Amino acid sequence: IAGITQAPTSQILAAGRRMTLRCTQDMRHNAMYWYRQDLGLGLRLIHYSNTAGTTGKGEVPDGYSVSRANTDDFPLTLASAVPSQTSVYFCASSDEPTDEQFFGPGTRLTVL
Amino acid sequence: LAKTTQPISMDSYEGQEVNITCSHNNIATNDYITWYQQFPSQGPRFIIQGYKTKVTNEVASLFIPADRKSSTLSLPRVSLSDTAVYYCLVGPRRGGGADGLTFGKGTHLIIQP
Repeated sequence: IAGITQAPTSQILAAGRRMTLRCTQDMRHNAMYWYRQDLGLGLRLIHYSNTAGTTGKGEVPDGYSVSRANTDDFPLTLASAVPSQTSVYFCASSDEPTDEQFFGPGTRLTVL
Repeated sequence: LAKTTQPISMDSYEGQEVNITCSHNNIATNDYITWYQQFPSQGPRFIIQGYKTKVTNEVASLFIPADRKSSTLSLPRVSLSDTAVYYCLVGPRRGGGADGLTFGKGTHLIIQP
């Protein structure tokens, strides 16, 4: 079934550790996004990529990095995790920026 | 970035029509308005998108006044399964880049029997 997969489903991480959240889509969409969702704050854009080879910063990029080496994969890396990065992370993709976005199932990350 | 404002929560009953309004006073000329629905423990799902006047699909209608500074999502004859968080999104449709995307904080709609 076509769509977006995210891994891991959930993770508990010690502060200071490095962590990469994986995101893969098989719809050949050009644009991909990473959001974090926190209670009372809704969805906030972390980083985006309008096409393979390019990335951009969203509303809350500090402490996160991304890469887009190919069309399908868009990993999100926390170089040195901090407790304030405890959140649910959603990856999404769309054929063109701001066309309908398709979301993955999310990764629940807890940083202790 | 065009910021959006929505009610935090709304209550209604099965069979009623529900209207959720989103304010976006700083909407740009090339911005579109998109609504998403999110159930607990799931990613958001696209409902409807529009630029001006009225758009209707099989699940909802979207009303946008001439000044485009607000929009109203209308859900006809809601059921218990419509209980969810609804997000209003404003951003350029094509070519503007994802840096124009802004989600509102969402409206938690609760439908009662």
